[in-house]
Amino acid sequence: KQEVTQIPAALSVPEGENLVLNCSFTDSAIYNLQWFRQDPGKGLTSLLLIQSSQREQTSGRLNASLDKSSGRSTLYIAASQPGDSATYLCAATNTNAGKSTFGDGTTLTVKP
Amino acid sequence: GAVVSQHPSWVICKSGTSVKIECRSLDFQATTMFWYRQFPKQSLMLMATSNEGSKATYEQGVEKDKFLINHASLTLSTLTVTSAHPEDSSFYICSRVGTAGEQYFGPGTRLTVT
Repeated sequence: KQEVTQIPAALSVPEGENLVLNCSFTDSAIYNLQWFRQDPGKGLTSLLLIQSSQREQTSGRLNASLDKSSGRSTLYIAASQPGDSATYLCAATNTNAGKSTFGDGTTLTVKP
Repeated sequence: GAVVSQHPSWVICKSGTSVKIECRSLDFQATTMFWYRQFPKQSLMLMATSNEGSKATYEQGVEKDKFLINHASLTLSTLTVTSAHPEDSSFYICSRVGTAGEQYFGPGTRLTVT
C-alpha cells in the first residue's frame, strides 16, 4: 500500500526566500506524481505533474523533481511571495487508473 | 477554466437526512471519476471510484450503503450521503483523470451536519 509523507508539516519564511518542500513515497512503482496547492476552505489547484519517466518539471517560479529510486520528490519555490501562502499537497498515482495517495501537506506562510 | 464542477459548494443539513452532491466533468467524457473526503486539517482520503454504467468501487472502511454513488452518464457522478450524522461533516471533492494521468479536481462541497 502506497504511503506518502510530506516534510515539514509547516513552514514560515520571509518574503523573497527560496524554499524546498519534500515529499516521500514508499512504493516507487508510480505512474506519476502531482503537486497541488490548496487555499483554506478551497479545492485543489494543480501546480505540476511529473510522469514516472521524467526527472523534473518547471512552471514559472516552481520546479518539481522526481527521484523514483529513492522515493522522493521536491517542490522548489523561488523568490517566495505572500501570495504563495497555502497548503501544498503531493499525490502519488500508481497506475493510469487514476487513484491517488496524498500526503498530509505542508502549510506555507510567507511573511511580507 | 474549470474542467470539473461540483454542486452545491456548501450544504447544511440536519442529522438523519440525506444529501446529494453532484460532480460534473465539463470538457471530457469521464468513464471513471473519484470521490475524496477531507476532514479539517487533514489530507484527502479516497472514498470510492465511480464507474459509468456499473457499480462504484469503495475503499476499505467506507460504507457503501451510507455513501451512495451513481454515475449515470459520462459527465455526471453523484454522491449521496444517507442518514447523515455530525461525524459525516467534511469537505467532499471529486476528480477525474486527464489523458496524461493528471488529476483534475472539482472545487469541493463542504457538508455540515447539525
